[in-house]
This record gives sequence, C-alpha cells and structure tokens, in this order.
Amino acid sequence: GDSVTQMEGPVTLSEEAFLTINCTYTATGYPSLFWYVQYPGEGLQLLLKATKADDKGSNKGFEATYRKETTSFHLEKGSVQVSDSAVYFCALQRSGGYQKVTFGIGTKLQVIP
Amino acid sequence: DTEVTQTPKHLVMGMTNKKSLKCEQHMGHRAMYWYKQKAKKPPELMFVYSYEKLSINESVPSRFSPECPNSSLLNLHLHALQPEDSALYLCASSQEFIYRGLGNDQPQHFGDGTRLSIL
Repeated sequence: GDSVTQMEGPVTLSEEAFLTINCTYTATGYPSLFWYVQYPGEGLQLLLKATKADDKGSNKGFEATYRKETTSFHLEKGSVQVSDSAVYFCALQRSGGYQKVTFGIGTKLQVIP
Repeated sequence: DTEVTQTPKHLVMGMTNKKSLKCEQHMGHRAMYWYKQKAKKPPELMFVYSYEKLSINESVPSRFSPECPNSSLLNLHLHALQPEDSALYLCASSQEFIYRGLGNDQPQHFGDGTRLSIL
C-alpha cells in the first residue's frame, strides 16, 4: 500500500537557519504530493503541493521538488523564523479512484530566537 | 481565517453523555471528511462523505455516528464514548473524493478541530 516516511523530530533550529525536512514515499502510479503545516491549537493547512515529476511547489519561502527517481519530496526553507514553529506533515494522494490522503508521521519544528 | 468551521472548539463529556460535533463549509465542496488526531500523530481518517452519501467508514466503532444533512454541513454524533476516544477531531472538505477527471491534486481544507475530552 501507499506510505510516506518523514523524520520524526523534533527539529530545533536557530532563527535564520536553513531548514530541510526529508520525506520519501511509496506509491503506485503517479500520486500528487503535499506538505501540510499544523500550528499549535489549529487544524492542518496546505503549505505547498506538486502534481508530477520535477514540479516544484513553493509558498511563504518554503520549497519542495517532486523527485520521482528518488521518490522524495523534501521540504526546504532558506531562513526560518520563530513563526515557522509548527508540525509539518508530508502527504500523498493517489491518482484515480478515491482521493484518499496518506500522511507521514509529522515533523515538529522549533525555531528559537 | 479557516474556511471550514467546527463547533464547539472544546468539549468535555462523560461516558454516558450524548453530544454532537458540527462542521460547516461554504466553498461548494462535495466531499467532506472526519479525522481523529491523537497527540503527536497524523490525522486518522474516520469517515468520508461524497455528494452527501457515506463513501468510506474506516471501521469506526458505532458509538460514532456521522450525518451529512446537506452539502455544506457534516455532523458527528457521539454516544457512550470511552476515555481512549479523547482526541482532536478534525473536519475537512475537498472539491471531490471520487476521481471524476478533476485530477488528484485537490488539497483538503481543514477546520481547527474540536478538542474532545472524555471523563
């Protein structure tokens, strides 16, 4: 079946540091890939997405590239802020049939001033 | 502001009580979802409604009873819950659930959830 693997964390960084959160997936066909972010006390929000190989999703300074050859969708940001502290979920949605989401375990990011 | 509204934000209930969680969206989405999220875990799918019909029940105990009165509203009726049911309950919506040619790239839009505590 489909699966998503991401680092569990927590990841602790100083403000303005470079961020990478790794995500790899296993799925048949050509899934769409997503990063969702969950701030404390809130639901999940879509951060970015990519729908086919070599697509780059970007939003709020975050980027991720859909790499089919390595089945990866790593999240990066050049300079994190304290306000980026949250839990980040990598997710995939299969092609065709039911559009059911498979989530990774979530990575908690703590950014300290 | 979130486009999916959930009420109440917090709920404390005893194991013999009956209560309901409510969810509303006005984005014209035809798929709505209930998820359960325990601390430090990803959301777990419970139910999916597609065009107001129940499409998926992920083997959820019958003490949870979903209802979709119309395309904008989703309820979750609770009865005789157990302490292990304490969690954050998230509602979500998306344009469609069953692939009808719109592509599989439609994200889900989540509410802020109801924090449920069972005494």
